[in-house]
Amino acid sequence: SQTIHQWPATLVQPVGSPLSLECTVEGTSNPNLYWYRQAAGRGLQLLFYSVGIGQISSEVPQNLSASRPQDRQFILSSKKLLLSDSGFYLCAWSKYRGYEQYFGPGTRLTVT
Amino acid sequence: RKEVEQDPGPFNVPEGATVAFNCTYSNSASQSFFWYRQDCRKEPKLLMSVYSSGNEDGRFTAQLNRASQYISLLIRDSKLSDSATYLCVVLANSGYALNFGKGTSLLVTP
Repeated sequence: SQTIHQWPATLVQPVGSPLSLECTVEGTSNPNLYWYRQAAGRGLQLLFYSVGIGQISSEVPQNLSASRPQDRQFILSSKKLLLSDSGFYLCAWSKYRGYEQYFGPGTRLTVT
Repeated sequence: RKEVEQDPGPFNVPEGATVAFNCTYSNSASQSFFWYRQDCRKEPKLLMSVYSSGNEDGRFTAQLNRASQYISLLIRDSKLSDSATYLCVVLANSGYALNFGKGTSLLVTP
């Protein structure tokens, strides 16, 4: 069966500091990978998705970037965090375009 | 108009009750629909996909009305463990982004 891991689970970072969140998927090959953010009191919003190694599509212009260095690894980064980057970051995978997406346990980020 | 709209609730129901959630979506070209469940401070978990003909999974029944752009979820014989936020989700035209409603909160009481 497939599992998806994210770390860290929680993170408190000062404004202006860098960020690196990691997501890995096990039990499947060539998945579509996604980064979502859930800000307080708001719905989930897709930030990035990837259909393969090195292929990144951005849905929303922002202070963040994503990379996919390996088939089952997806990384979310920032060079300088803003207060507005606080939120619950969720990685997800799907086998094919348009199919169900399955979420990892998430990283709760607080920027102070 | 928001992509996906849900009544935020909360819905407070006793154990054993039947409860229904509704959702409307704005994009008439949408092709795929889902219900997810999210417990407090946890990730969303897929509850069920919603098919044009309607579908049932145990105590849960989902219906889709394309003409009215309306999706519903019916929960029969509510359990305490059903307490959660239920998210109505519509796949964007790109086929990649999921558009989430803000969720409907359900509390099942003894």
